Amino acid sequence: AQSVTQPDIHITVSEGASLELRCNYSYGATPYLFWYVQSPGQGLQLLLKYFSGDTLVQGIKGFEAEFKRSQSSFNLRKPSVHWSDAAEYFCAVGAQEYGNKLVFGAGTILRVKS
Amino acid sequence: EPEVTQTPSHQVTQMGQEVILRCVPISNHLYFYWYRQILGQKVEFLVSFYNNEISEKSEIFDDQFSVERPDGSNFTLKIRSTKLEDSAMYFCASSTDTYEQYFGPGTRLTVT
Repeated sequence: AQSVTQPDIHITVSEGASLELRCNYSYGATPYLFWYVQSPGQGLQLLLKYFSGDTLVQGIKGFEAEFKRSQSSFNLRKPSVHWSDAAEYFCAVGAQEYGNKLVFGAGTILRVKS
Repeated sequence: EPEVTQTPSHQVTQMGQEVILRCVPISNHLYFYWYRQILGQKVEFLVSFYNNEISEKSEIFDDQFSVERPDGSNFTLKIRSTKLEDSAMYFCASSTDTYEQYFGPGTRLTVT
């Protein structure tokens, strides 16, 4: 069965520090990969996506993610975190072979210390 | 920037009552979806809708659930007889193709 794992439930970083949020997936197919962010009371905002091509993708708000097929990973990174980045981050995966639904990870809550 | 909207933001209902959650997808999108997130759990796919019919549904989407696109702009999720375990945040999403899905802010459904 398809699954997405975000091993870190909570992460706390200092403002200005770098950030990496981990995502691993288990799929029997070529996946499409996404990161979404959810601020309190808000919907899920698409940060970035990977379909094919360059394995390092750039997104909004200064985020990037790298697809590593050998590790079945799609980790989200940001070189310098801002206090406004505090939110919950979700990794999601889709695959044509499994229809058009997205499978989500459990989410990682990011706290930013000033 | 176009966005998906959902109403109401919060709905409280009694067990056994019918509820209708409403969504207005982005206007040029063709694919529509409902997901839900029970408090503390993952976001789960419920159903997808294309060309006026359900294209895929999950095991959660049983006979108590139905979806409809009653006009050119709205997309609704109906729960016929709500149960306590239906309490969750329900997200509507839409897309031009089958993958880059844009989500609404959600409706928090509380069943008492």
